[in-house]
Amino acid sequence: AQTVTQSQPEMSVQEAETVTLSCTYDTSESDYYLFWYKQPPSRQMILVIRQEAYKQQNATENRFSVNFQKAAKSFSLKISDSQLGDAAMYFCAYRSAGNNDMRFGAGTRLTVKP
Amino acid sequence: NAGVTQTPKFQVLKTGQSMTLQCAQDMNHNSMYWYRQDPGMGLRLIYYSASEGTTDKGEVPNGYNVSRLNKREFSLRLESAAPSQTSVYFCASSEAGRWYEQYFGPGTRLTVT
Repeated sequence: AQTVTQSQPEMSVQEAETVTLSCTYDTSESDYYLFWYKQPPSRQMILVIRQEAYKQQNATENRFSVNFQKAAKSFSLKISDSQLGDAAMYFCAYRSAGNNDMRFGAGTRLTVKP
Repeated sequence: NAGVTQTPKFQVLKTGQSMTLQCAQDMNHNSMYWYRQDPGMGLRLIYYSASEGTTDKGEVPNGYNVSRLNKREFSLRLESAAPSQTSVYFCASSEAGRWYEQYFGPGTRLTVT
């Protein structure tokens, strides 16, 4: 079964600085998707960014970008110019192209210091 | 456009009681999902419905039943609640062809004593 590991339970960053959140996954499949979700105190899950495994180019969404290393099964999230509103739990997720089962990591709590 | 709504927001049950969590979406999405979130763990898929009239088990289906009432609504039922089912429950939906992008509801915090 696929597993997703986030090794950093908590991270902290100074406002306007850059922070990188780590994620690794285990799979034997070649076709899959990876995601980063943000969960603020309101608890609602918000899609931040996604990456298709067949794409070599790293996905970017404004201040959010990923470093996707397929061979190493690594998918880190970089947040540039951190803002106070970025403070939240961040979840890495994996989904096989062949089914609807999304697997999530345990999450990283990000604190942004003013 | 409310997105995905869930009721109730909070619920306390006694062991053995039953209840139904309601979920509705107004985005005309085909697929809907139920997850649970426990402390220190990521979301785990309980059941999903790829389209109206179909439901499938996810990673942790035991102790739950679901009903896809129509395209908008997808309910989760606990027939005989157990303390191990204390969790936060999230409903999500996605449109056909964009199943990789799931929209989540605000969650229901359930406590079973």
